[in-house]
Parts: sequence; C-alpha cells; structure tokens
Amino acid sequence: AQSVTQPDIHITVSEGASLELRCNYSYGATPYLFWYVQSPGQGLQLLLKYFSGDTLVQGIKGFEAEFKRSQSSFNLRKPSVHWSDAAEYFCAVGASSNFGNEKLTFGTGTRLTIIP
Amino acid sequence: DARVTQTPRHKVTEMGQEVTMRCQPILGHNTVFWYRQTMMQGLELLAYFRNRAPLDDSGMPKDRFSAEMPDATLATLKIQPSEPRDSAVYFCASGLPGNGYTFGSGTRLTVV
Repeated sequence: AQSVTQPDIHITVSEGASLELRCNYSYGATPYLFWYVQSPGQGLQLLLKYFSGDTLVQGIKGFEAEFKRSQSSFNLRKPSVHWSDAAEYFCAVGASSNFGNEKLTFGTGTRLTIIP
Repeated sequence: DARVTQTPRHKVTEMGQEVTMRCQPILGHNTVFWYRQTMMQGLELLAYFRNRAPLDDSGMPKDRFSAEMPDATLATLKIQPSEPRDSAVYFCASGLPGNGYTFGSGTRLTVV
C-alpha cells in the first residue's frame, strides 16, 4: 500500500527566507506525486505534480519540487517566501495507472508560519 | 477557472438525522473522489468513481454512508443516521487520470 510521510508538523520561516518542505513516499512502482496547499477554511489547491520526465517540476506561486527516486522523496522548495504563503501543505502519492487505483494518499501535512 | 462546487458549505444537524452532501464536478472530468478531513485522522479517502462507476469505497463505513453519482454532473454522499463522530470537513475532488485533481471548498459538517 502506498503511504506518505511529512516529517515536519510545523515550520516557521522568516519572510524572504528560503523554504524546503520534506516529503517521503512509499510506493512499489513509479508514483504520481503531488503537492497541495490549503488555506484556513478552504479546499486544497494543486501546487504542482510529477508524473514522469524531468525530476524538477515547477508549480504555481513560485514553488518547485524535486523527485529523487533513490531517496523516495519529493521535497517542495521556494527561494523566497511571502507572508501569503502561510498555510498547510500536503504531499500526496497516487498510483501511476490509467486503469483504476488512482486514489491519492495524503501525508499529514506541514503547517507553515511566516514571521516578519 | 473551472471549479468543483460543493453544497452546502456548512451543515449542523442533530444526531440520528440524515445528511446529504452534493458535489458538482468539473465538466469533462471522469473521476470523482470523496475525502473526509479531521484533525485526528487527516485526509481520508471515502470513495471514488470513474465514469460514474464506484471503483473503491473501502474507506467508507458501509452501515451508514453511501455515495452515488446519479449523473455525470452530480455526486452525492449520504450519512444515515449521522453521529457526532461524523463531524468533519468533507471534500469532493474531480479530475482526469494522470492529470491531477481539483478540490471543492468542502462541506463542514457538525453533528450535535
């Protein structure tokens, strides 16, 4: 069964500083990997996704993530955070099948706090 | 931007009552998910559909929960009877295989 670990429950970063959120996954085949962001009281918004190809993927809002198969990781990065980036971030893994079993398994999330 | 629409946004009900949550997926999306989010359990998959057919509902308590897609524009999640432990935010998401999924804003359910 697939699983996702986000080891950091809460991270605090100064505005303008760089950010890296960690995500480790467990899956027996080539995974589909996603990062979603959730602001308070809102749904989840897709930041970026990895299906295949270039292991460094660019997303919205200046975020990027790098897929490292050898480390089973898909860490999210941003070179300079803005106060509006404060939110909960979820990593998710899905089966790379077009014929079912595409359900997404989510990590427990990392809450990002931005300080001035 | 196309959106997944969920109704109602908020629902407060008494224990034992039936609750129906609705979701309008994005037109053209053939995969629909129902997730439940709580502080304790995080995001749990309840059920999902492909082309309106249920593919997996193993995460759903069968005795009280049911999920259906009466047509391509409507997915429903029913709880009967509701219990306080069902209090959570319920999300619907839709998409196409291999293309990521768009989430709705959720239905916040409180069972008293």
